[in-house]
Amino acid sequence: EVQLVESGGGSGQPGGSLRLACVASGFTFRKYEMNWVRQAPGKGLEWLSYISSSGDTTYYADSVKGRFTISRDNANNLLYLQMNSLRAEDTAVYFCAREGFSAYIAFDSWGQGTQVTVSS
Amino acid sequence: QSVLTQPPSVSEAPRQRVTISCSGSSSNIGNNAVNWYQQVPGKAPKLLIYYDTLLPSGVSDRFSGSKSGTSASLAISGLQSDDEADYYCATWDDSLNGVVFGGGTKLTVL
Repeated sequence: EVQLVESGGGSGQPGGSLRLACVASGFTFRKYEMNWVRQAPGKGLEWLSYISSSGDTTYYADSVKGRFTISRDNANNLLYLQMNSLRAEDTAVYFCAREGFSAYIAFDSWGQGTQVTVSS
Repeated sequence: QSVLTQPPSVSEAPRQRVTISCSGSSSNIGNNAVNWYQQVPGKAPKLLIYYDTLLPSGVSDRFSGSKSGTSASLAISGLQSDDEADYYCATWDDSLNGVVFGGGTKLTVL
């Protein structure tokens, strides 16, 4: 069974940092492209970042470019999101998502999400 | 303001059919595959439709997708109470170099 489990959420201060992790199981992680998506309270889904299966290609939404960094550890089936210069508007539930149909950029598996709250 | 435009809400009676629209532009829907997601509040999204019209394994064939030009639609037939959820369209945007989601549509089964 495909499983994605996020961790690392919690409270952070404006200007501070947090690192989210997503551990994958039930599939060959190194073969899949991965993404981070977030959802602010009462709002819709917002795509944040993409990383290729090898980790050598990344893309970011303008809202997080230069502040967030996506990375992966294929040896240990881990996906990361390093979040720096946090802002109040980064408060959201953060999901990791697998691209199961990469040619169509479709996210076929999602984690349960981890809550990030940015407040002073 | 989302790049893809969806109606905020739709409603229909049980056993009826409802459609949810998603409007974009030539840089997104007009040139890339559209995917649809269902999200029950408090849960993770679930992929319903990929590549405009295809159903992932395990998704009911009461769900169907279509696309024409720069617009796409999700249709749900034989509405059931557990179809009540938020529905999102999504695709790649060539200008933004990223994935864009619609604002979401809340479906109420009357």
